[in-house]
Amino acid sequence: AQSVSQHNHHVILSEAASLELGCNYSYGGTVNLFWYVQYPGQHLQLLLKYFSGDPLVKGIKGFEAEFIKSKFSFNLRKPSVQWSDTAEYFCAVKKAAGNKLTFGGGTRVLVKP
Amino acid sequence: NAGVMQNPRHLVRRRGQEARLRCSPMKGHSHVYWYRQLPEEGLKFMVYLQKENIIDESGMPKERFSAEFPKEGPSILRIQQVVRGDSAAYFCASSPPLLAGVAEQYFGPGTRLTVT
Repeated sequence: AQSVSQHNHHVILSEAASLELGCNYSYGGTVNLFWYVQYPGQHLQLLLKYFSGDPLVKGIKGFEAEFIKSKFSFNLRKPSVQWSDTAEYFCAVKKAAGNKLTFGGGTRVLVKP
Repeated sequence: NAGVMQNPRHLVRRRGQEARLRCSPMKGHSHVYWYRQLPEEGLKFMVYLQKENIIDESGMPKERFSAEFPKEGPSILRIQQVVRGDSAAYFCASSPPLLAGVAEQYFGPGTRLTVT
């Protein structure tokens, strides 16, 4: 069975700092990759997704992620965070031919003003 | 265009009662997914449905849980004889008809079930 691991459960940083959240998955076949964000009190929103093509994906709100197939990784980055980026971030993987998403455990990010 | 709607947002049930969670997909979406998030964990897939069909229920507990997506009306996740361990946030997602397996899922706000 495929699994997704997010290395950090909690991250605390100051505004303007750079953010990188790790995500690794275990599945040898073709995958679709996603990062979702859940702001306090809100529902999950899609930040970005990778299906094929350029492994460097740009999403909303200045986020980007890089798919490194050889490392089974899809790390999320933002060069300069804002207080409003305080949220929980979830990495998710789907087999390309499948339907269900497998989520990582989430990373709670707190940005101090 | 309204997003995925779930109700109720919060549901409290005593042990042994039944819980019914409803999900209305986005307009034009014919695929519905249910996920459960236990405290301090990520979301776990439960079931995937299309209208009047259960396509994949590999994540559903074998007993007490059932799901349906009738021709008319919302999708329903039903939990019979709830126990404390069922306390969780239940999220519904919907997607348009799949095009070669490529379709993103849009999530609802979730229903937080508390079993007392």
